Amino acid sequence: NAGVTQTPKFRILKIGQSMTLQCTQDMNHNYMYWYRQDPGMGLKLIYYSVGAGITDKGEVPNGYNVSRSTTEDFPLRLELAAPSQTSVYFCASRNFLSSYEQYFGPGTRLTVT
Amino acid sequence: KNEVEQSPQNLTAQEGEFITINCSYSVGISALHWLQQHPGGGIVSLFMLSSGKKKHGRLIATINIQEKHSSLHITASHPRDSAVYICAVRSDNNDMRFGAGTRLTVKP
Repeated sequence: NAGVTQTPKFRILKIGQSMTLQCTQDMNHNYMYWYRQDPGMGLKLIYYSVGAGITDKGEVPNGYNVSRSTTEDFPLRLELAAPSQTSVYFCASRNFLSSYEQYFGPGTRLTVT
Repeated sequence: KNEVEQSPQNLTAQEGEFITINCSYSVGISALHWLQQHPGGGIVSLFMLSSGKKKHGRLIATINIQEKHSSLHITASHPRDSAVYICAVRSDNNDMRFGAGTRLTVKP
């Protein structure tokens, strides 16, 4: 299994541009998550999904959108990039039958200038 | 005040030293996780525990539910242990809350 994969690894955006961060997992996990990690801060939950077709907001959803059309994919969309969205983004997944362990992707480092 | 506090923020040790990283939390939890974030950025799960103590190789994690405190110990530390260690709790309503991490540097 490849586990959780994310693309791209790095991206620089101009203010107002849009982009989609891709996340795919091949473990047939029900739950998927998007987090952002800012320097000196803990990971913050942006959005999560408990299964295909179901998504919900986390702590910091403003400025982002998600969709979950398949079990495997959970893309995160930034519509109008702002400097405050400069961060490292992590996607994670877990099987709801497991012991709550989350599997993390390698992260996407995004800079908005 | 963060719901999950870790100390210290930064820790430098000499190879072979015994290391302790602490985590305190202020919410009711169903589980506590210790994660390791490598210098390249990848995050891996080290432990999940809800009571007592777990050991994996040179790593030991303990939790005291009454005191809302957990510790991660590394025995015989090695430069390859250099990483950021993150404490995370799963609250009673199933939300995950993360500490800011402890950056460990082990010098040869």
